[in-house]
Amino acid sequence: QVQLVQSGARVKTLGSSVKVSCKASGGTFSSYLIHWVRQAPGQGLEWMGAIIPMFGVTHYAQKFQDRVTITADGSSSTVYLELSSLKSDHTAVYYCARSAIDIGDFDLWGQGTMVIVSS
Amino acid sequence: QLVLTQSPSASASLGASVKVTCTLKSGHSDYAIAWHQQQPEKGPRFLMKVNSDGTHKKGDGIPDRFSGSSSGAERYLTISSLQSEDEADYYCQTWGPDITYVFGSGTRVTVL
Repeated sequence: QVQLVQSGARVKTLGSSVKVSCKASGGTFSSYLIHWVRQAPGQGLEWMGAIIPMFGVTHYAQKFQDRVTITADGSSSTVYLELSSLKSDHTAVYYCARSAIDIGDFDLWGQGTMVIVSS
Repeated sequence: QLVLTQSPSASASLGASVKVTCTLKSGHSDYAIAWHQQQPEKGPRFLMKVNSDGTHKKGDGIPDRFSGSSSGAERYLTISSLQSEDEADYYCQTWGPDITYVFGSGTRVTVL
């Protein structure tokens, strides 16, 4: 059974960058979109963007358009979320999730990666 | 613009039923949605997809006491025989043809 396994928690300094990974364990990403969702402390879920790993095509929420980069490595069934020029409001838990290309419900979630931005 | 509206909270006694509502903005009343559960200090878990005609498809291992339904622009999640582990935040989620995805603000369900 496929699982989405994310990299561990990170503590970063202001202005630096961080790259978080999401690996399909027990399967592949074929025919799926992989999404990234942010949850700031005490807040709800917020869609950031997605990639179709098979084609490398990305889509971003307007709010995150200039702040994040989503990439994929098909050979390792891994998707990455890179955040640059980190600010304190980047402190959050980041989740990856899967949906079919033609049906948009997120039917599988990763366990989440906590990113703390410290001064 | 896709918008989902949820009440902040709902509560019911142990063993009773609770109904959580998610409302689609005008013009999108035929959209399907998904329900996700987030227990305290845990990540979200997919519960089910609910279509505009009220049919629903649950994720693997989701207990029978969870069900979905629809009426107009409203989508519902009903939890029957409420258990203590059902105390959680419940989010609805939908998607648009222009590759946009939206979450509701979440409903916290408290088991009394």
